[in-house]
Amino acid sequence: EAQVTQNPRYLITVTGKKLTVTCSQNMNHEYMSWYRQDPGLGLRQIYYSMNVEVTDKGDVPEGYKVSRKEKRNFPLILESPSPNQTSLYFCASSFSAGGPIGNEQFFGPGTRLTVL
Amino acid sequence: GQNIDQPTEMTATEGAIVQINCTYQTSGFNGLFWYQQHAGEAPTFLSYNVLDGLEEKGRFSSFLSRSKGYSYLLLKELQMKDSASYLCAVKGDYKLSFGAGTTVTVRA
Repeated sequence: EAQVTQNPRYLITVTGKKLTVTCSQNMNHEYMSWYRQDPGLGLRQIYYSMNVEVTDKGDVPEGYKVSRKEKRNFPLILESPSPNQTSLYFCASSFSAGGPIGNEQFFGPGTRLTVL
Repeated sequence: GQNIDQPTEMTATEGAIVQINCTYQTSGFNGLFWYQQHAGEAPTFLSYNVLDGLEEKGRFSSFLSRSKGYSYLLLKELQMKDSASYLCAVKGDYKLSFGAGTTVTVRA
């Protein structure tokens, strides 16, 4: 089944304790992206990747890191989480990185993160 | 960057039609998307417009005017299961920017 998976689905942690949220897609998609969703603010892009070893900042990258060592995986790293990073996080992928074709993004199920 | 506006909430009756408007200001344009998101779930793709005009997909249609920076999503023959948030999103060169979403409530 074609899908985007994320783990963990739920996480409660404490300020300053490094964590990683994994994201994997099995559709051979070039483009992968991380979003956070907060009430009233909608989805905001954190980082995106156009292909292996190519990443760039989205609109809210502060406090996050990413890597793209393999095409299928795009982990999100919070080196020192803070309470303002409490949010619902979505990973997404699409076939194409740029241009007008193949852009529709497929989303993972989401990770609900609480930082105390 | 992108500035994307859509109404916060809309309410309609089962069987009716609802139109959700989206206006945008963009520094680059590679298409406009509509996604549906039920509470607690991931967004799912509904439609994509890159050229001006109307795209029809069953009960859902989406319209785009690039010169006006305007799109709408038309939901026909509303069903209770259409109660959800509808997200307008604009693709720039590589970034995808979302509006805050429109919550549609369908009443019997």
